[in-house]
Amino acid sequence: QQQVRQSSQSLTVWEGETAILNCSYENSAFDYFPWYQQFPGEGPALLIAIRSVSDKKEDGRFTIFFNKREKNLSLHIKDSQPGDSATYFCAASEASGSWQLIFGSGTQLTVMP
Amino acid sequence: EAAVTQSPRNKVAVTGGKVTLSCNQTNNHNNMYWYRQDTGHGLRLIHYSYGAGSTEKGDIPDGYKASRPSQENFSLILELATPSQTSVYFCASGGGQTEVFFGKGTRLTVV
Repeated sequence: QQQVRQSSQSLTVWEGETAILNCSYENSAFDYFPWYQQFPGEGPALLIAIRSVSDKKEDGRFTIFFNKREKNLSLHIKDSQPGDSATYFCAASEASGSWQLIFGSGTQLTVMP
Repeated sequence: EAAVTQSPRNKVAVTGGKVTLSCNQTNNHNNMYWYRQDTGHGLRLIHYSYGAGSTEKGDIPDGYKASRPSQENFSLILELATPSQTSVYFCASGGGQTEVFFGKGTRLTVV
């Protein structure tokens, strides 16, 4: 059973639209939720993250909305650009232990010009 | 700038052969991780380490060993490589829950 689940394997939007990527999780002990962005041939890189005590985190065009009761979160990319085309991974970890990240299977975003 | 360097970047190995993937970090992070990435599975944790001399099993350790001889270096060892271990492998280092940096990956093909 996947602990972190991303419902869409791929998503296509037009330039200027808001892309919405969804994620859900199983473990109530998770308290830190980063989103990683990965371009072909590169390793994942941290894009934005939220802690479970917050319900929203904004950084420029990127916003995370978090619902602790429903155990889900979403990444909104406002005014999407072709350069945002990448694979986005939702991940989770808990404060105790090794801080190991548990990843979702990823959503490949394509922004059409 | 946090730096995690993996070598080799590409490797072709024969079934039954021994493969060693190397990782070096200059971040002075205590924690290091090995993940593999496969389509449809995201990144799955193989082994991790809390510091020099320590190795711990992750979610999918079977068929893999790890070695952490120093703070900077963390290796992943496939004693008897199999075609099912064909994948892209990522090393990462972490200084805390919020700081995890990944290398560029090693593409391993076992024929």
